[in-house]
Order: sequence, then C-alpha cells, then structure tokens
Amino acid sequence: DTGVSQNPRHKITKRGQNVTFRCDPISEHNRLYWYRQTLGQGPEFLTYFQNEAQLEKSRLLSDRFSAERPKGSFSTLEIQRTEQGDSAMYLCASSQLAGDDNEQFFGPGTRLTVL
Amino acid sequence: DAKTTQPPSMDCAEGRAANLPCNHSTISGNEYVYWYRQIHSQGPQYIIHGLKNNETNEMASLIITEDRKSSTLILPHATLRDTAVYYCIVRVYGGYQKVTFGIGTKLQVIP
Repeated sequence: DTGVSQNPRHKITKRGQNVTFRCDPISEHNRLYWYRQTLGQGPEFLTYFQNEAQLEKSRLLSDRFSAERPKGSFSTLEIQRTEQGDSAMYLCASSQLAGDDNEQFFGPGTRLTVL
Repeated sequence: DAKTTQPPSMDCAEGRAANLPCNHSTISGNEYVYWYRQIHSQGPQYIIHGLKNNETNEMASLIITEDRKSSTLILPHATLRDTAVYYCIVRVYGGYQKVTFGIGTKLQVIP
C-alpha cells in the first residue's frame, strides 16, 4: 500500500506524559500537513511542511506541540505534558508540490486518549 | 477560504440517489468546490471538485449552480458503505492550501 501511513493508530497516555506520533507520506509528495479532529467536528489544520521546512503553524499549535520533518520524508508530531484537552484524532495528509493540483491524501489518523 | 453551509444530517435509502446540498454564497471567482468524505474512524477521502461546470467521476457527480452559490453532490446509487460524513469545501485550485473543514453532513444510508 503506497498511501499515507500513521503510527501508532491508537495511543492512551496519562496526563503530563509526552507522546510522539509518526506520519509517512506518499513517497513522491513534498507537502505534508497535520490536522486535529475532535469528536463531532471536522479536522482542524495544525501545521504544514514543504519538504523539510515548516512553513505554517496554526494558533492551535501551542508551545507544547512540536512537529518535525527532518529529511523531508516522514514527519513526527510531539505533544509534551499532555492534557485531557489534547484527546483527539491526529491526521496527517500529503500532496505533491508540482502539478496543477495539490489534492491532499489523508492517513488513517492516530487517536490519542489522555486520561 | 469561503464558508460553506451544509445540513447536519441526511438519510438515504440503499440503492437510491443521495443528493447532498451545499451553500457557498461568498465563493470567489477563483475558488473551486471540493467534496471530501470521512468514513468512521478513517481519514478524509477526496471525492470530486469543480469550478462551474458539472463534473462526474467514478464516485459521484457534482452539480454547481450557474451563480456558483450552491452545489449538490450526487451519489447515484447509494450503498451502505457510503455512510459517512461529507464535507463541502471551497478553496483556490493548486498551490499550497490548508483545507478548512466544517462540520459536514452525516449521511446515513438505510437498508
């Protein structure tokens, strides 16, 4: 399968712990996005990478959140000192840099539960 | 991005056409209408997009009104696997664009 993959699919943690999620985009895609989705809501944009450069961050991305894409391939999203309000589905998407369209392909998401 | 308005939920009988409406009265001339869907516990999936002409692909048809202020996504023969939340989004075509999702329409296909 050459789609976007995310690991882990589920994560349960205690409040105050740090967690890290990984996203592997489609191999030829230069653009990578992170979104967060809470129950009953649509996904909300968190941050965007073009290759290894983080070009945009949402105000939702507090200083406890950090995202990296060190070699322009896979990306990680780390949440430090987790809070119960961080419980959500974290979605990754990727798209091509070149071409007329930038259709985003989404991964299956990582569901985070903070106890 | 222009805002969109969708009904929160709809039902459709299996095998019948599902017609999902979307209002986007503030759409700009260079913005396209995109539709995504999200099946439970999965990431969103692109369905179709269009500017002003009607579009059709293997998944659905998109009908955009002449004034472009509203559109309808048509699933011609809904199946149980089409049960999902459907998002209507307007955005500029091409280039970097974060997708701004609303709440969408929860479509329930009934046997």
